[in-house]
Order: sequence, then C-alpha cells, then structure tokens
Amino acid sequence: AQTVTQSQPEMSVQEAETVTLSCTYDTSESDYYLFWYKQPPSRQMILVIRQEAYKQQNATENRFSVNFQKAAKSFSLKISDSQLGDAAMYFCASSGGGADGLTFGKGTHLIIQP
Amino acid sequence: DVKVTQSSRYLVKRTGEKVFLECVQDMDHENMFWYRQDPGLGLRLIYFSYDVKMKEKGDIPEGYSVSREKKERFSLILESASTNQTSMYLCASNPQGSYHNEQFFGPGTRLTVL
Repeated sequence: AQTVTQSQPEMSVQEAETVTLSCTYDTSESDYYLFWYKQPPSRQMILVIRQEAYKQQNATENRFSVNFQKAAKSFSLKISDSQLGDAAMYFCASSGGGADGLTFGKGTHLIIQP
Repeated sequence: DVKVTQSSRYLVKRTGEKVFLECVQDMDHENMFWYRQDPGLGLRLIYFSYDVKMKEKGDIPEGYSVSREKKERFSLILESASTNQTSMYLCASNPQGSYHNEQFFGPGTRLTVL
C-alpha cells in the first residue's frame, strides 16, 4: 500500500516570489513514480511534473522543479517566479507497479498575492 | 489533442435514485479510472479498468459499480444514491503499461444527492 502526505492545507506567496510545497510518501514498491498535479479553480487536473524514482536527478519543467529525497521519502515542488495563473490546488501523487490508479495526497491550496 | 469528457458538470439527484456517470476518452487508452474528490481528503480511487469488460476495485468501491462495454467509455453507477455520495467525481485514462505516465483527467462531475 502507498500513502502520500501533504502537510500544508494552504500556502500563500507574493507574485514573483518562490514557494515550496511539501510532500512525503511511503511505498513498498521498488519501482515507482511521483507526480505533482495542478487543479485550477473549476478547471481540469493537469500534470505539472513527474519524477522517476530510479533517477537521482531532480525533474525540472520551466519554473517548476522538484527536490526528490529518496531516502527521506520526500518530494517537494518548488515554483519560482510565481504567477497569478499558478493559483490552484496542487496534489502530490504516487504510482507503483501494474495498472493501479494513483495514490493522492490531500492537496495544498496555493494562493498567489498580487 | 488528448481529451477526456464527462457527461455532466453538475448533477442533482434524490436519495435512492440510480445514477449513471459517463466518461469518454478519444485517445484509444486501455486504462480508465474513477476517482472521488472531497475537500480535505484529496482524490480516492473508486474503480479502474484496464480493458473492455474488465474492472478492478479501488480503495473505496462500496456503493458503486462500473461498466466498460466499449474501450472509449467507462461508466460509474450509483445503484441507490445516498447523501454521503455527494462529491466531485473525476474520470481519468492512460495507455496500457503506462502506470508511470500521467493520467489524463476529465473536467469532473459535481454530484449532489438530496
């Protein structure tokens, strides 16, 4: 069984600043993947960034990057130069072997202050 | 462009009614998923299917059933709706063997059971 924990129900950041969203996970799988999804208000869930557990290098997608600490089972998301369009619910998720669905955290509501 | 559609954005039903939530994807994906999203609980997997007529229980299948008669369509059925099934329901899909890849989500159906 997998568990994903997001300890920050809500975060607020000034526009143009950097914010880090925390996520820890637990899994018995040796091969797994980690994801950050974004859900804007009243809009569809979209993938922000993905990390393969076997890769040591942290994934980066433009202003979004992760800090993947495998031993600590930590997978935080850093958003640089925050923009108003970044305001959303952010979900951390993990997947293991097979065709099973994703295991999600409870989400972090990110507020961008203009 | 990848597309997952759900039959209704908003639905209001009465206790005891039989409710059908429909999901269609146009990407020829083998895997399809139904999640339930509740504030403070994140997304929880109800059922998933990895092929036509195949189904597997997720983490919270009680009170729900599913149907997959065609590859592109995955239906969630509430046999006798109850007020505790008031929630946002999200459908997702991805290709076979790609558990490590992103899932593509529909816009969600917000169901209210009175």
